Amino acid sequence: NAGVTQTPKFQVLKTGQSMTLQCAQDMNHEYMSWYRQDPGMGLRLIHYSVGAGITDQGEVPNGYNVSRSTTEDFPLRLLSAAPSQTSVYFCASRRQGYSSYEQYFGPGTRLTVT
Amino acid sequence: EDKVVQSPLSLVVHEGDTVTLNCSYEVTNFRSLLWYKQEKKAPTFLFMLTSSGIEKKSGRLSSILDKKELFSILNITATQTGDSAVYLCAVGAGEAAGNKLTFGGGTRVLVKP
Repeated sequence: NAGVTQTPKFQVLKTGQSMTLQCAQDMNHEYMSWYRQDPGMGLRLIHYSVGAGITDQGEVPNGYNVSRSTTEDFPLRLLSAAPSQTSVYFCASRRQGYSSYEQYFGPGTRLTVT
Repeated sequence: EDKVVQSPLSLVVHEGDTVTLNCSYEVTNFRSLLWYKQEKKAPTFLFMLTSSGIEKKSGRLSSILDKKELFSILNITATQTGDSAVYLCAVGAGEAAGNKLTFGGGTRVLVKP
């Protein structure tokens, strides 16, 4: 199993550009989520999905869109990049249910917006 | 709004010392508390705690949860340089379908030889 994979590993964008961060998992997990990590702030939830076709907002959703057309893939779209979106982005997945909170994280994407 | 606070923000110890990390929380509909270790990459899972007073152990690491006082501690005994990392605490809360993790800001541990 590859686990959770993310592409790209690094990206530099200019303000106003759009892009999609890719995330895929091969563990048949129902629950997938996107976090951003800024220095000293831990991880903050952007969007999450409890299954194909179902998504919801997390703590910091503004400026980001998601969709979940398959169980395996959960892309994150930046609509019009801003310097405030400079961060490290982690995708994570886990099985659904109360007793299954162990999340598996992808390797991260380091995004810089100039 | 759910809140998770970790202390201290950072600490420096020498090999062989014991370290105690704290995590306090205020959440609605608590389900579990998790500890992760993060080196220069993605967080890796250490423990999940759901019941008060039951210690979980893995080698030199141990953790316990107090659901009455709303906190958890992570202990690392006989520290080694490989224990240098950011330790993240996260609390799972909410209803089944939308249950989410809220992370604390982390504690950075540096173990000197």
